[in-house]
Amino acid sequence: EVQLLESGGGLVQPGGSLRLSCAASGFSFSNYAMAWVRQAPGKGLEWVTGLSGSATSTYYADSVKGRFTISRDNSENTLYLQMSSLRAEDTAVYYCAKGQGTVRPHTLGVWGQGTTVTVSS
Amino acid sequence: DIVMTQTPLSSPVALGQPASISCRSSQSLVHSDGNTYLSWLQQRPGQPPRLLIYKISNRFSGVPDRFSGSGAGTDFTLKISRVEAEDVGIYYCMQGTQFPLTFGGGTKVEIK
Repeated sequence: EVQLLESGGGLVQPGGSLRLSCAASGFSFSNYAMAWVRQAPGKGLEWVTGLSGSATSTYYADSVKGRFTISRDNSENTLYLQMSSLRAEDTAVYYCAKGQGTVRPHTLGVWGQGTTVTVSS
Repeated sequence: DIVMTQTPLSSPVALGQPASISCRSSQSLVHSDGNTYLSWLQQRPGQPPRLLIYKISNRFSGVPDRFSGSGAGTDFTLKISRVEAEDVGIYYCMQGTQFPLTFGGGTKVEIK
């Protein structure tokens, strides 16, 4: 069974940093592009970032470019999201999602349960 | 960025009756590889999103056949042939053709 388990969320002050992790199991992790999608309280879905199975291609939303970094460790089947210079508007549930292809996460087939990030003083 | 517009915002439906959700994109979703990366996702209350339909009309693994997708170019539709209680939630369309990936604003399906 394909499973994604996010961790690392929490309360952080504006300007602070946080690293999210997503542990994957049940599939050949390195063969699939992955993505992070967030959902602010009471709001819709916002794609944040994605990367290819080999990690050679990365994609970012303008709202996080230069502040967030996506990466993966294919030997550990883990996806990461390093977040810095956090703002109040980054407060959201962050979901890890498995793409259906290898290079681009054009379709998000399986989603984790999410981890909550709250940016507040 | 490609803007995805969903209608209606809310859809009260009686059990056993059909429901239909429309999604329009601000530009064609046909990718240079010939595929149209338009998906539909369901988010039940308190749950993460779940993929229902991908590439316009393909049902994802485990999705009941009462869900169907159709459309082309910039206009797409999700249909539920007979709404069941477990179908309550918010439905989103999503385009994966061009970065940034974008979602529609969501349509809330509730039981009348």
